[in-house]
Amino acid sequence: GIQVEQSPPDLILQEGANSTLRCNFSDSVNNLQWFHQNPWGQLINLFYIPSGTKQNGRLSATTVATERYSLLYISSSQTTDSGVYFCAVRTLGYQKVTFGTGTKLQVIP
Amino acid sequence: GAGVSQTPSNKVTEKGKYVELRCDPISGHTALYWYRQSLGQGPEFLIYFQGTGAADDSGLPNDRFFAVRPEGSVSTLKIQRTERGDSAVYLCASSLSPRGTANEQFFGPGTRLTVL
Repeated sequence: GIQVEQSPPDLILQEGANSTLRCNFSDSVNNLQWFHQNPWGQLINLFYIPSGTKQNGRLSATTVATERYSLLYISSSQTTDSGVYFCAVRTLGYQKVTFGTGTKLQVIP
Repeated sequence: GAGVSQTPSNKVTEKGKYVELRCDPISGHTALYWYRQSLGQGPEFLIYFQGTGAADDSGLPNDRFFAVRPEGSVSTLKIQRTERGDSAVYLCASSLSPRGTANEQFFGPGTRLTVL
């Protein structure tokens, strides 16, 4: 099956810093989402982005499907950004969604 | 409600017992998914429903696990003869449809299952 690797696995940022999270996948996908899992375990939708670039406030994401990667940018980080960030992908012809390995982010004041 | 809801939020049971976990999807969403998340891991796909039928159950770990969605809305995940290894958070998600941008999935808060 498809392999989905995220980097870095862990990240500590000072409040106000910027960061880039990466998601690499091993096969063609037709669906890619980024989620933030908060410390209470709730998965929060950030982006639905099978290709192209989207922005939402301090967050933006870019997926280059032909090169099998996606990037999530967080600018001016806040302590509320702490948690685990997952990308999740679906391959053509299948409904099964595969989650990445996750990036655990801690933003310190 | 506006989002996906799951009940109970926590379930503690003894090894060998039967449990049922419930998911109420967002109203009008035809696609429903179940996932399992173990500590420190990402969610793992279990089963996908389109309407009333299980379109993909390839993620169910064994025949102790079964899920139904009889009226195409609420779904129940059933686990027989529970084992300690079944302890995890069980997540439910729904999407408007399985196609295109309508396939964006929205997750419920999960049910934390503990098997003693």
